[in-house]
Amino acid sequence: QKEVEQDPGPLSVPEGAIVSLNCTYSNSAFQYFMWYRQYSRKGPELLMYTYSSGNKEDGRFTAQVDKSSKYISLFIRDSQPSDSATYLCAPGYSSASKIIFGSGTRLSIRP
Amino acid sequence: GAGVSQSPSNKVTEKGKDVELRCDPISGHTALYWYRQSLGQGLEFLIYFQGNSAPDKSGLPSDRFSAERTGGSVSTLTIQRTQQEDSAVYLCASSLDGTNEKLFFGSGTQLSVL
Repeated sequence: QKEVEQDPGPLSVPEGAIVSLNCTYSNSAFQYFMWYRQYSRKGPELLMYTYSSGNKEDGRFTAQVDKSSKYISLFIRDSQPSDSATYLCAPGYSSASKIIFGSGTRLSIRP
Repeated sequence: GAGVSQSPSNKVTEKGKDVELRCDPISGHTALYWYRQSLGQGLEFLIYFQGNSAPDKSGLPSDRFSAERTGGSVSTLTIQRTQQEDSAVYLCASSLDGTNEKLFFGSGTQLSVL
């Protein structure tokens, strides 16, 4: 079983729609959870960072963590064409260690 | 510098040749990571350096791959006797320290092995 599982998509939705992106993980030792966004031919950039179960909101983006079911989600409200990118989840340990990424979900927002 | 710098941005080589990829992390960042991303795929972990600790090499796919980090700053990823399956984008990232795992990525080196 992979440490982090993520549906690769592609996912295509119309502009203005609510987007839900999801990951599952297998190791209950993960303590914090990150979402990265990667535009074509660019390196990933940190989008959201959360340390606990529950919701964290930042503008149109909401990160949700359910540690009991090892399930993490990213919601995008009022999606825009500029949100078209690959989104990667990355759970991490509290101590210094490597970061393992999900395979990424490719998202396309249709104008 | 202002961000993570990688060079070269593109590298074309012949099968069997050795290549060196360079990463200049953000000044003051003690952690440095190398990842590989094949076309349309996710990030594959290769190696992780943290301060003066022994690196985590658990992701290196074969003994043809090696990396070093000199003086706790610049890192070089070396691939010996390159194979066509080594063709990918090689991404470097750095983070402030072992307790702050927010990674800052470079733009990567596109390696093409002919």
